[in-house]
Amino acid sequence: AQKVTQAQTEISVVEKEDVTLDCVYETRDTTYYLFWYKQPPSGELVFLIRRNSFDEQNEISGRYSWNFQKSTSSFNFTITASQVVDSAVYFCALTPNSGYSTLTFGKGTMLLVSP
Amino acid sequence: ETGVTQSPTHLIKTRGQQVTLRCSSQSGHNTVSWYQQALGQGPQFIFQYYREEENGRGNFPPRFSGLQFPNYSSELNVNALELDDSALYLCASSPTVNTEAFFGQGTRLTVV
Repeated sequence: AQKVTQAQTEISVVEKEDVTLDCVYETRDTTYYLFWYKQPPSGELVFLIRRNSFDEQNEISGRYSWNFQKSTSSFNFTITASQVVDSAVYFCALTPNSGYSTLTFGKGTMLLVSP
Repeated sequence: ETGVTQSPTHLIKTRGQQVTLRCSSQSGHNTVSWYQQALGQGPQFIFQYYREEENGRGNFPPRFSGLQFPNYSSELNVNALELDDSALYLCASSPTVNTEAFFGQGTRLTVV
């Protein structure tokens, strides 16, 4: 069985602050993929990143960065210099590298960035 | 390149009725997955279709069924609606299995 835990239900920051969203996962699969999605109030899930379990290199994309640590089963997401437009619900998700790709999502972290 | 589109965007149904939700996958994508997202929760996997065949199913009863058409668009059918079926239903398409999924804007279903 797979499980994704996002312990932070809601985070509030002021614009320009850095913020880290935590994600801890459980899986018995030896190979798997990890994802982050953003869900603005409109409801659509916006793909942010996919990481293969073999690739533990951290990744940076503009103000976004991701820290994957297999030893602690964590895949944390940091937004640097947050902006009001970053306000959304962020989901971490996991899928096994098997015949079909079913995403197991965490419950999400709501990020509120105030001016 | 068009994205994933779902219709309708909102729907109100009465308990016991049947509903059909539709999804047009992104151009070039042969895999479609459906998810149910209850308020305040993460999406839950319903099932996946790959090249018109069901390719995996989550923990949902048989009254949740689906189809995928030759153009890879898809339908989600729910029979005998229950109040707990009220949720946002999300469709996601992927170039193939085990690649990133791109989601539509969802259909908000309310069962009264």
